[in-house]
Amino acid sequence: KAGVTQTPRYLIKTRGQQVTLSCSPISGHRSVSWYQQTPGQGLQFLFEYFSETQRNKGNFPGRFSGRQFSNSRSEMNVSTLELGDSALYLCASSMSGGYNEQFFGPGTRLTVL
Amino acid sequence: AQSVAQPEDQVNVAEGNPLTVKCTYSVSGNPYLFWYVQYPNRGLQFLLKYITGDNLVKGSYGFEAEFNKSQTSFHLKKPSALVSDSALYFCAVRDPGGSTLGRLYFGRGTQLTVWP
Repeated sequence: KAGVTQTPRYLIKTRGQQVTLSCSPISGHRSVSWYQQTPGQGLQFLFEYFSETQRNKGNFPGRFSGRQFSNSRSEMNVSTLELGDSALYLCASSMSGGYNEQFFGPGTRLTVL
Repeated sequence: AQSVAQPEDQVNVAEGNPLTVKCTYSVSGNPYLFWYVQYPNRGLQFLLKYITGDNLVKGSYGFEAEFNKSQTSFHLKKPSALVSDSALYFCAVRDPGGSTLGRLYFGRGTQLTVWP
């Protein structure tokens, strides 16, 4: 089976712009979660989608949003980018959450200038 | 609230020696526990998990972890370290009984360095 794929792998934006990141989960996985990884804050949970519905949300401002499509592919959007949004954004998929492990993609490295 | 602590930012060990990466957790119910490894510029790779049953869990690449409910710990171990084991290791917990079912809570990570 193909693993979790994320596009693009690298992205450079300027403050105030918006960005959309894409994630394709492992075939058959219905849960997709997003995490932000920074040296200072570590791995922080953004949100989780299951069957096109947001099931959980972390403590991030409303500038961060996401969605999931009927084929389980997911996108996250960050509007009005700030310097502090520079991070590695990781997508993970699993069968249904619960006791199933999450499988991570390689991440999208976002740099905000 | 759920949380994970990895008390050591760095662990250094000589190749061939046993290694231990420590993890303690806090969760309201019975936890689901996971270990992941991250190599530079890569995503996280799943190593092993504890859901229920035997307290000693075996995973990928010769790693194992011991669940200790009384000490709320889930330490990662390997009998004989390899240089290629050098990476960043994350412990994570999920609370199966809460409303945060799909969410993993991660520790800060432990940088493991194995020297030749």
